[in-house]
Order: sequence, then C-alpha cells, then structure tokens
Amino acid sequence: GENVEQHPSTLSVQEGDSAVIKCTYSDSASNYFPWYKQELGKGPQLIIDIRSNVGEKKDQRIAVTLNKTAKHFSLHITETQPEDSAVYFCAAPVSSADGLTFGKGTHLIIQP
Amino acid sequence: GAGVSQSPSNKVTEKGKDVELRCDPISGHTALYWYRQSLGQGLEFLIYFQGNSAPDKSGLPSDRFSAERTGGSVSTLTIQRTQQEDSAVYLCASSWDRGYSYEQYFGPGTRLTVT
Repeated sequence: GENVEQHPSTLSVQEGDSAVIKCTYSDSASNYFPWYKQELGKGPQLIIDIRSNVGEKKDQRIAVTLNKTAKHFSLHITETQPEDSAVYFCAAPVSSADGLTFGKGTHLIIQP
Repeated sequence: GAGVSQSPSNKVTEKGKDVELRCDPISGHTALYWYRQSLGQGLEFLIYFQGNSAPDKSGLPSDRFSAERTGGSVSTLTIQRTQQEDSAVYLCASSWDRGYSYEQYFGPGTRLTVT
C-alpha cells in the first residue's frame, strides 16, 4: 500500500519567517495530495490540496508544490503568524481503498 | 451548520472491558471514516463506510475492533476486550461522497485511555 513519509517532525520558526514541510509518497499512481491542520483538542481540517495535473497551488500565505517525478510534495507557509502553530499532516490516497494514508505529522511552532 | 460530532469526548476504561464510540456525521454526507491517532503517530485508517455498501474494513488492527453504521448515518466503533495499546484518540470523518478527493470533515475525536 501507499507509504507517506513526512519531515521534519518538529519545526520552530520565528514569527514572520517561512516554514516548509516535506512529504514523500511511494505509489506513483497517487494523484491527490491534501494537507490537514490540527489544532490542539480538535480534529484535523483541510487547508489546501493539489492534484497531479498541476505542479503548484497557492492560497494566500499557503502554497503546495508537487514533484511527481521525485514523488514528493511540500507545504509552504509564508509570513508565519502565531495562529499557524499547530500539527500539520500530509496525505495521499490509500492504494486499495477510498481512504487516505497520512504522514506522522509536523508540529509547527511559531516563536514570537 | 453542525459539524461532525463524537461522543464521549473522553473515555477511561479498564483493560478487558468493551467500549463503544459514537460518531454523528454531517447530514447528507454519504462517506464515513474512522481513524486512530496514537501519541506521536499520524492518523491510522481503520474503516470506511459508503452509503449502504459493505464497509471497507481493511484497516482494522484486529478482530476485537468492529464498526457499524445504522441507516447510513450514525456510526459506532466497538472495541472488545480492550488492551492498553488501544489507548489513543479515535477520530471520525465524513465526506460528501466516496473517493479520497472529497474533503474529509473530522470530528473532535474520542480520547480512549485503557488502564
């Protein structure tokens, strides 16, 4: 089945700086890559996703890039703010089912 | 509108006891998922329901785990003879239709502690 690796596990950046989280996947047939944000005590929430027919997608301060050849995709957050502090998960489709395989998460800490 | 709700929010049980966790999906959502989140781990897919079709149980870790979905809406995840390694947050999610590319809306989870 699909295997998703995510790094780093923890990322600390100064407020206003950029943050980048990277994921790799194993199934070359995967064609959908969402990113979820989980705040303390809450369930994950979709923040952005990308499909395999595009290489980059932006939504205000958030962007996701996809390199299908290398089988990796990244989340970029610019001008980080305190409310960006959370755990971020990347995901890819499960090969044999309609669910998602998630990475182990990145705890993003925004230092004031 | 109302999101996905789960109950209880916290559950402490003794090893060997059975537990039931409940999920109320968003009205109209046909797909429902259960995931398990252990400390420091990602979300582990457990089971998936789509409408009235037979569920995809491929992620259930053992035969002590089972789930049902009544009337295509509310779902219950049951863990029999709980073990300490079952301690985790159990998350439920629903989406408009089948297929991984539909946004999954997650509930707040049930934190299960097995003592």
